[in-house]
Order: sequence, then C-alpha cells, then structure tokens
Amino acid sequence: DGGITQSPKYLFRKEGQNVTLSCEQNLNHDAMYWYRQDPGQGLRLIYYSQIVNDFQKGDIAEGYSVSREKKESFPLTVTSAQKNPTAFYLCASSRPGFVREQFFGPGTRLTVL
Amino acid sequence: DQQVKQNSPSLSVQEGRISILNCDYTNSMFDYFLWYKKYPAEGPTFLISISSIKDKNEDGRFTVFLNKSAKHLSLHIVPSQPGDSAVYFCAASHYLIQGAQKLVFGQGTRLTINP
Repeated sequence: DGGITQSPKYLFRKEGQNVTLSCEQNLNHDAMYWYRQDPGQGLRLIYYSQIVNDFQKGDIAEGYSVSREKKESFPLTVTSAQKNPTAFYLCASSRPGFVREQFFGPGTRLTVL
Repeated sequence: DQQVKQNSPSLSVQEGRISILNCDYTNSMFDYFLWYKKYPAEGPTFLISISSIKDKNEDGRFTVFLNKSAKHLSLHIVPSQPGDSAVYFCAASHYLIQGAQKLVFGQGTRLTINP
C-alpha cells in the first residue's frame, strides 16, 4: 500500500532545540517537498528536492535544513534559528511526468514550548 | 505578496445544492491550476486540476472553470454532500529552475454542507 508517511503526528519541543521531522514515501516519486501551514494561511514551500543528493530552497527556507540521501526519504530539521517554528508541517511528493500533482502526507504538528 | 487568493474564508451550503468556491490569481506565468481538499489534522488530497489552455474540466460532481482574462477560477460541486465539508485550497503551478514545478496555494475556504 503506497503512500507518504510522516512521523510523529504531534511533536513538542522546548525553545532552542533542533528537531527533525521524518518524511518517507514508497511511491517511487523523484520529487519531494516540504510545506508549512499556519492558521488562515495557505501552504508555503520550505524546501524541495528533485533528485537524490540535490535540494533547493523554497520561499521560507530560513531556519530550516533538509537532506536527500535516499529517494524515499526527505527529513526536515527545524533549527533554533527558526523564529516561529510552531506550525503544521506537510511533506509531499510528485511522480515523474506529473510533477504538478503533488501527493501529501498526513502532516506533523510541531509545538515549541 | 499573495499571488493566489481565496477571499472567502468560509462557505455554508445546504446539502443537495451547488457549492461554488472561488480563487483569484495575479501571476500570468501560472500554467496549471489545482484544487485540493483537506480534512483537519490530515494532509491535502488532490481533487481536480485544469491546464491554462482549457476553460473547463469536469470530474463527476466536481467542475473547475478557468477565466484567464479575469485571472479567476472556480470549483463547482453539484450536488453538495455532507462528506464534502472540508477546507478547499486552490493552487497554481509554474516552473522553477531546472524543470521543477512550484505550487502556490491560496489561504483556503472552509466549506460546510448542512443537512
């Protein structure tokens, strides 16, 4: 059963700590994306990756970092430099030839206390 | 700079009637438009899309209309059902460098279908 897995669903961290959000897909998709959703706002692109070992900054990359060592995995690290890290984080992927239609994971809600 | 706007934060429709969700955009470089549906605490799911070379695309109860001159698109749901109650996001796509696509999302409209 193919899909995108994000874990954990809820995450709590103390201010000043780095935290890594997991995203795994078994859809054999090349491209993967990270978005952030805040209340009353649309999804905003943080980082994206088209192929393994390559990734690009999105619109709001400051305070975040990513890696793409495997096709299936695209973890996002929220660093202490991110001023407002509390948000709902969504990972997505898209298949070759259909890059416009992105498939989303269930999301991780990060709360920084 | 909000390039994709959904000006109605919420919409309430009676079951069986038509739901019309609207979306406006400003960037003429957008070449593909999508609608996503999202339930609370879940990721968005793709609903329907339309290329900029078309003005209408239909899939069952869902129809998307595109008016390029007005930079406006709308999603029609007929007939509306209780399971349609969700937040609907409009998204527009354009190319980034090296062939990647970027989706720009509107703020979302919360649709409530009343029995």
